[in-house]
Amino acid sequence: QKEVEQNSGPLSVPEGAIASLNCTYSDRGSQSFFWYRQYSGKSPELIMFIYSNGDKEDGRFTAQLNKASQYVSLLIRDSQPSDSATYLCAAYNTNAGKSTFGDGTTLTVKP
Amino acid sequence: NAGVMQNPRHLVRRRGQEARLRCSPMKGHSHVYWYRQLPEEGLKFMVYLQKENIIDESGMPKERFSAEFPKEGPSILRIQQVVRGDSAAYFCASSQVWDGSYEQYFGPGTRLTVT
Repeated sequence: QKEVEQNSGPLSVPEGAIASLNCTYSDRGSQSFFWYRQYSGKSPELIMFIYSNGDKEDGRFTAQLNKASQYVSLLIRDSQPSDSATYLCAAYNTNAGKSTFGDGTTLTVKP
Repeated sequence: NAGVMQNPRHLVRRRGQEARLRCSPMKGHSHVYWYRQLPEEGLKFMVYLQKENIIDESGMPKERFSAEFPKEGPSILRIQQVVRGDSAAYFCASSQVWDGSYEQYFGPGTRLTVT
């Protein structure tokens, strides 16, 4: 079992729809969670981070964390073609000082 | 505030040569991480460094790879006697770890091609 698991996709949604990206983690020592967006051939770009259970909203993005279920998600509202990218989930263990990344979910938003 | 800088952006080496990849962290950041990404694959952790200290090198291959982050200057990832399997994108990330903030910011990467 991978430490951080994501559906590889591809996930395809029509423009304007809500895209839902999911991530589970196995290390209960993980306390901080991050979502990165990576366009093809580019470096990962941090788009959201969440440390506490519940929801965190930033513009069209909402991150959700449930530590009891070891589950993190990212919702993208009003999806745009420019949101088409690979989304990486990362879990950070404060004691180890290390982030573990999932393999990413590829999202395609169709006009 | 300049972001994380990496150079070179592209590096071509022949088998058996050495590759040196450089990373300057974001201003104010003292923690550096190196990751490798093979084509169509995810990010794999290699090493975590603070100034003059290797904190965690559990992701580094035991041979040919080394990393340092000197008191002055950039962090260096060094690959000796490169082989074709070393061809990948190498990303550096930096953070300023303090209570409540652990975000890592990535540089543009160095794309290493071994011929």
